[in-house]
Amino acid sequence: SQQGEEDPQALSIQEGENATMNCSYKTSINNLQWYRQNSGRGLVHLILIRSNEREKHSGRLRVTLDTSKKSSSLLITASRAADTASYFCATAPTSGTYKYIFGTGTRLKVLA
Amino acid sequence: DGGITQSPKYLFRKEGQNVTLSCEQNLNHDAMYWYRQDPGQGLRLIYYSQIVNDFQKGDIAEGYSVSREKKESFPLTVTSAQKNPTAFYLCASSIGAGLNTEAFFGQGTRLTVV
Repeated sequence: SQQGEEDPQALSIQEGENATMNCSYKTSINNLQWYRQNSGRGLVHLILIRSNEREKHSGRLRVTLDTSKKSSSLLITASRAADTASYFCATAPTSGTYKYIFGTGTRLKVLA
Repeated sequence: DGGITQSPKYLFRKEGQNVTLSCEQNLNHDAMYWYRQDPGQGLRLIYYSQIVNDFQKGDIAEGYSVSREKKESFPLTVTSAQKNPTAFYLCASSIGAGLNTEAFFGQGTRLTVV
């Protein structure tokens, strides 16, 4: 399977703290994307980082990408209870037909 | 409103029955995808289509079939050959085979075998 791995699998923090989750993947990529999923719902796109970029910011989100280690991290600063969700990374590989390959996800719980 | 719509939200299937899950988008996207999600798991690709009248198998296509007769529609049939069909099914679309485009997801269909 080409599926990536994320860690931790689950994370529980207090409101106001920062949350960091990591993603490792297996193939060469064109870009890496992060998505959020509220329980029982579809996924919502958060941010895309291209393979030639090392860091990207969007509001309280900061994403880093290390293609030499085939890994990425998502940092959510000053977390809120509303950030409680599952977070998935997805890669678009360079080889073969264009498709998204998702990681296993991190379940984040922010306690008020 | 532009978006991607899946129906029904909940679906119950008897053993040995085929069922079809609907996915419609009005985003004018060329590419569409079907994923399966099991409890506490990530998404696994079932089928994808980059253009009308063409589709490709994903990682877990056995027991599933699709069609792409219209740009807007990408229905998924779960056949009786699928041994463990109970799961959450997600449909997505993207602009096309561009290298840096995001996927838009529907709200999912939860299929239960009874």
